[in-house]
Amino acid sequence: AQKVTQAQTEISVVEKEDVTLDCVYETRDTTYYLFWYKQPPSGELVFLIRRNSFDEQNEISGRYSWNFQKSTSSFNFTITASQVVDSAVYFCALSKYNNNDMRFGAGTRLTVKP
Amino acid sequence: ETGVTQSPTHLIKTRGQQVTLRCSSQSGHNTVSWYQQALGQGPQFIFQYYREEENGRGNFPPRFSGLQFPNYSSELNVNALELDDSALYLCASSFWNSYGYTFGSGTRLTVV
Repeated sequence: AQKVTQAQTEISVVEKEDVTLDCVYETRDTTYYLFWYKQPPSGELVFLIRRNSFDEQNEISGRYSWNFQKSTSSFNFTITASQVVDSAVYFCALSKYNNNDMRFGAGTRLTVKP
Repeated sequence: ETGVTQSPTHLIKTRGQQVTLRCSSQSGHNTVSWYQQALGQGPQFIFQYYREEENGRGNFPPRFSGLQFPNYSSELNVNALELDDSALYLCASSFWNSYGYTFGSGTRLTVV
């Protein structure tokens, strides 16, 4: 069975702090995709990143970085120098290699205070 | 390039009624997936359509059904509405196994 766990329900930080959102996944598949999405109050899910299971390289995109570790089944997301506009609910998700049936975690609500 | 458009944005229905939600996929995308997101939870996969056929289904009863049209737009139909069907329904489109899904803003359904 596929499962994603985001143990942090809510995180509150002050602007300019760094923050890491944790994601742990379970799957029996050897090939799969991992995702991070952002959901602002408007409701739509905004795609941030997709990683396939063969690519364990860490990735950095501006203030965002992702740490994928297959050994611990984790795909953590770090925001450096957080900003108020980063406030949202962030979801980690896992899908089979055919891109079907994406399983989401329960989400982490991030609040960045000025 | 237009994104994913869902209609209506909000809907109130009575228990036992039927509802149809609509989704226009992003230009160039041929696959549509539907998700249900209850308040405070992550989205749950309902089903996916590819080339007008259902291509995978989550743990939802048969009263949840769908269609995909030749232009790749899609409908989600829910019969015999229950109070627990109240949720945000999200549609996502992609080009089969391409980079990622594009989500619409959702339809918020309230069943009273």
